[in-house]
Amino acid sequence: EAQVTQNPRYLITVTGKKLTVTCSQNMNHEYMSWYRQDPGLGLRQIYYSMNVEVTDKGDVPEGYKVSRKEKRNFPLILESPSPNQTSLYFCASRTGTGVSEQYFGPGTRLTVT
Amino acid sequence: AQSVTQLDSQVPVFEEAPVELRCNYSSSVSVYLFWYVQYPNQGLQLLLKYLSGSTLVKGINGFEAEFNKSQTSFHLRKPSVHISDTAEYFCAVSVGNDMRFGAGTRLTVKP
Repeated sequence: EAQVTQNPRYLITVTGKKLTVTCSQNMNHEYMSWYRQDPGLGLRQIYYSMNVEVTDKGDVPEGYKVSRKEKRNFPLILESPSPNQTSLYFCASRTGTGVSEQYFGPGTRLTVT
Repeated sequence: AQSVTQLDSQVPVFEEAPVELRCNYSSSVSVYLFWYVQYPNQGLQLLLKYLSGSTLVKGINGFEAEFNKSQTSFHLRKPSVHISDTAEYFCAVSVGNDMRFGAGTRLTVKP
């Protein structure tokens, strides 16, 4: 089954404790991205990657890191989480063209206390 | 850069009534347009998309949308909604590799 998986689905952590949210897709897509969803703000892009070893900032990259060492994986790293990073996070992937839809993971709900 | 405005943050309707969720976009170049649906506690899934050709696009679950270039709109419609259509709906515009989402419209269908 074609899918994007994320882990964990739910995470509660404390300020400053480094964490990683994993994302994996099995569709051989070149393009992957991370979004955060906040009430009234829709989805805002954090980082994206157009292929292996190619990453770039989205609209809200502060406080986040990503890496793309393999085509299928695109982890999101919070080196020192803060309460304003409490949000719902989505990973997405698509083929490398603008006409294609994005496929979304199930989401990771992160709470930073 | 392109942007998307969803004109209604919440739309309550009764079951079997028609519904329209409004979406306007701005862009200086040609765009591709999408509607996604997010059911409670789930990720987003594609409802429909407009790439080119006929301006009336049909999607899943009986939804359709009309692309209006002169009004830069891409409104989503369904002639008769069901309780199961209760969800959040997102309009998105894509130019090249950049996809922008609206703030979302929460559709609540009441019995």
